[in-house]
Amino acid sequence: EDKVVQSPLSLVVHEGDTVTLNCSYEVTNFRSLLWYKQEKKAPTFLFMLTSSGIEKKSGRLSSILDKKELFSILNITATQTGDSAVYLCAGRGSSGTYKYIFGTGTRLKVLA
Amino acid sequence: GAVVSQHPSRVICKSGTSVKIECRSLDFQATTMFWYRQFPKQSLMLMATSNEGSKATYEQGVEKDKFLINHASLTLSTLTVTSAHPEDSSFYICSASPPSVVPPYSGNTIYFGEGSWLTVV
Repeated sequence: EDKVVQSPLSLVVHEGDTVTLNCSYEVTNFRSLLWYKQEKKAPTFLFMLTSSGIEKKSGRLSSILDKKELFSILNITATQTGDSAVYLCAGRGSSGTYKYIFGTGTRLKVLA
Repeated sequence: GAVVSQHPSRVICKSGTSVKIECRSLDFQATTMFWYRQFPKQSLMLMATSNEGSKATYEQGVEKDKFLINHASLTLSTLTVTSAHPEDSSFYICSASPPSVVPPYSGNTIYFGEGSWLTVV
């Protein structure tokens, strides 16, 4: 059975800290992995990763995939209170449709 | 602007009644849409895959007679919660993907609707 596991489940940091969120996956015929940020409503897209070792970057956020070890990390540098959210990762296999399996999420709280 | 629109954002219904939630792709045609359910402080649980012009594919443990899915057009999928009970109260969210890279949207990426909070009293 395909599964995606995230760690830690929750994290509390202070503004300015750097955090690393982990996502490990077991997905049959893996195709891609997505990272999302969810605040109070629907998740918003952050990154899509398909190739191993290529870092995706957007401002203070970056992410990388390791297809050999079956994991991805999401880094947030110089955290701000606005980064407080649940971060979700999702893996997709080769089912032919965009069916993604979501991890449990990491709840990040950034204190002022 | 929104890529996928979901309506209503909040609905309260009485136990035993049915409620319908709509999911529309605004800028692209979606032959496939997905319906998720999320309980407070939990992750998204995939309920079913909605297929345009054919039956939905339900995940294990999801009652197809209770959660009716209709994907009648390439831009609209509906989820009807039938004979709702308080335990059906949850956040329901749909997603769809552009069929290819259509700037500014990324291909192979799922975009979510705004979600619908269902409360059954």
